Amino acid sequence: DAKTTQPPSMDCAEGRAANLPCNHSTISGNEYVYWYRQIHSQGPQYIIHGLKNNETNEMASLIITEDRKSSTLILPHATLRDTAVYYCIVSRGPNTGNQFYFGTGTSLTVIP
Amino acid sequence: GAVVSQHPSRVICKSGTSVKIECRSLDFQATTMFWYRQFPKKSLMLMATSNEGSKATYEQGVEKDKFLINHASLTLSTLTVTSAHPEDSSFYICSARELQGLRGYTFGSGTRLTVV
Repeated sequence: DAKTTQPPSMDCAEGRAANLPCNHSTISGNEYVYWYRQIHSQGPQYIIHGLKNNETNEMASLIITEDRKSSTLILPHATLRDTAVYYCIVSRGPNTGNQFYFGTGTSLTVIP
Repeated sequence: GAVVSQHPSRVICKSGTSVKIECRSLDFQATTMFWYRQFPKKSLMLMATSNEGSKATYEQGVEKDKFLINHASLTLSTLTVTSAHPEDSSFYICSARELQGLRGYTFGSGTRLTVV
């Protein structure tokens, strides 16, 4: 079962930062936080993941609170192509063969 | 990067027939693959875990005789929807784990099944 809570929808102005929150208050010490997004009628796309440190890559930044009970995905300069459903998933990670269970996600709409 | 290919991308079939969907890892070997189903405006629901060379593990409530999974090689898993009915119409997505991968699972582009 999904172990994350996300707001169902958010809007963001084009060019501004999009901050997508996720609550995972029951996360275990060996579980990672993964973020994926799904553009309509496509398969989910990997964005970023982290364990406890903040992470940044070419797509986004991931901020994980010190107690690891919540995190925020940051898209620094949102574009219209970032309109998608964003999923936050907690899992022990692929090297363990663990399943990914998806929650309801956040539908992000980037507005021109 | 790791690529997962699904075929076909769209399929329409008649009620009572069976449909096979293929999931291939193109540039890596995958001992484990996963199959999801997604209804319109809903999230992905995990159906089963496919393990190469062994039986698939099905999630609670998923009929294993209805959704046959075969993972005969390290690069191919197939999902067969048997005796399809209109309520089986859905978006089916697979994902695979690269053996040495650290970025999480790679997902296919999905298969849109319509049963008429």
